[in-house]
Amino acid sequence: GENVEQHPSTLSVQEGDSAVIKCTYSDSASNYFPWYKQELGKRPQLIIDIRSNVGEKKDQRIAVTLNKTAKHFSLHITETQPEDSAVYFCAASLGSNYKLTFGKGTLLTVNP
Amino acid sequence: GAGVSQSPRYKVAKRGQDVALRCDPISGHVSLFWYQQALGQGPEFLTYFQNEAQLDKSGLPSDRFFAERPEGSVSTLKIQRTQQEDSAVYLCASRPRGTRVPYEQYFGPGTRLTVT
Repeated sequence: GENVEQHPSTLSVQEGDSAVIKCTYSDSASNYFPWYKQELGKRPQLIIDIRSNVGEKKDQRIAVTLNKTAKHFSLHITETQPEDSAVYFCAASLGSNYKLTFGKGTLLTVNP
Repeated sequence: GAGVSQSPRYKVAKRGQDVALRCDPISGHVSLFWYQQALGQGPEFLTYFQNEAQLDKSGLPSDRFFAERPEGSVSTLKIQRTQQEDSAVYLCASRPRGTRVPYEQYFGPGTRLTVT
């Protein structure tokens, strides 16, 4: 089955800096890659996603890049703010009606 | 509109007790997923329903775990003879029908189960 590795497990940055989180996946058939943000005790919330027919997607301060050949994808957050502090999870899926396989998460701390 | 809701939000069970966790998906959402999230880990897939049909139960860790969705809306995850290793947050997610809608799975707030 699919296996998703996520790095780093913790990331601390100064407010205004950029943050990058990287994930690799094992199943070349996976074609949907969402990123979720989870604050302590809250539900995971989708922040951005990308399908395999696209190499990059951007939404304001957040961007995701996908390299299908290397089977890795990355989350980029620019101009970080303290409210960006949370755990971020990457995931991979075979498509719309298939399970998500999650990475183990990255605890991002943005220091004011 | 209302999001995915789950009840109870917190459940404490003595080892050996049976528990039932409820998920109310967003109205009209055809697909429903259950995930288990251990402390400090990412969610792990348990089972998937499309309407009332359970199409994938490959993630259920043992035969003590059972899920149902008899009318294609509300779903119940039942755990029999709970063990300490069952302690986790149980998340439910739903998404609408169709290939032209976003792939996003909408998560509920979860039920935190503690087995003592």
